[in-house]
Amino acid sequence: GQQVMQIPQYQHVQEGEDFTTYCNSSTTLSNIQWYKQRPGGHPVFLIQLVKSGEVKKQKRLTFQFGEAKKNSSLHITATQTTDVGTYFCADYSGGSNYKLTFGKGTLLTVNP
Amino acid sequence: NAGVTQTPKFRILKIGQSMTLQCAQDMNHNYMYWYRQDPGMGLKLIYYSVGAGITDKGEVPNGYNVSRSTTEDFPLRLELAAPSQTSVYFCASSPRVGGNTEAFFGQGTRLTVV
Repeated sequence: GQQVMQIPQYQHVQEGEDFTTYCNSSTTLSNIQWYKQRPGGHPVFLIQLVKSGEVKKQKRLTFQFGEAKKNSSLHITATQTTDVGTYFCADYSGGSNYKLTFGKGTLLTVNP
Repeated sequence: NAGVTQTPKFRILKIGQSMTLQCAQDMNHNYMYWYRQDPGMGLKLIYYSVGAGITDKGEVPNGYNVSRSTTEDFPLRLELAAPSQTSVYFCASSPRVGGNTEAFFGQGTRLTVV
């Protein structure tokens, strides 16, 4: 099945700097989801993107879905220490879109 | 509302022992998933289920078995524990109704095989 590739694997920023993680696929995605996992915690759903070129915002977080639906990005403006964690993209794949598979994630650390 | 409940939270097994990781959800979700997460790594899909009586293999099913006799429960069975199965295991469920595809995760089971 298709697999989403996520970059970078790690990102360390100073508090107040911006952060972006990218998710890429070799095939067209039906939709893309983003999750956040705090250290020692479990993944928590952030958002789902469905439409080509879709852009959604949640406070300082901006999510984009590429025009060809083969890539997506998550951008955080002016990071805070509360943003620390691993950000995963995920998609439903398989013949009937039942399998929910995750990218390897981007670990964000923020220096106060 | 309990959501997705996993038990136990922690477990130490000896090589060759067996155990069942329990997962229960009270949201009437049809879709359920088991993942393992090794330290500093992503989530790898072990098994999934689209409804009671239906299960299918994910990316890393070897050494595991599942069953789905009810909508609520999706236990994961390790028959002969090996050190390579040391990991954190997450169970998740999703409604997948009307475009709602959000997955809800349990708190995880941290398993060590020695």
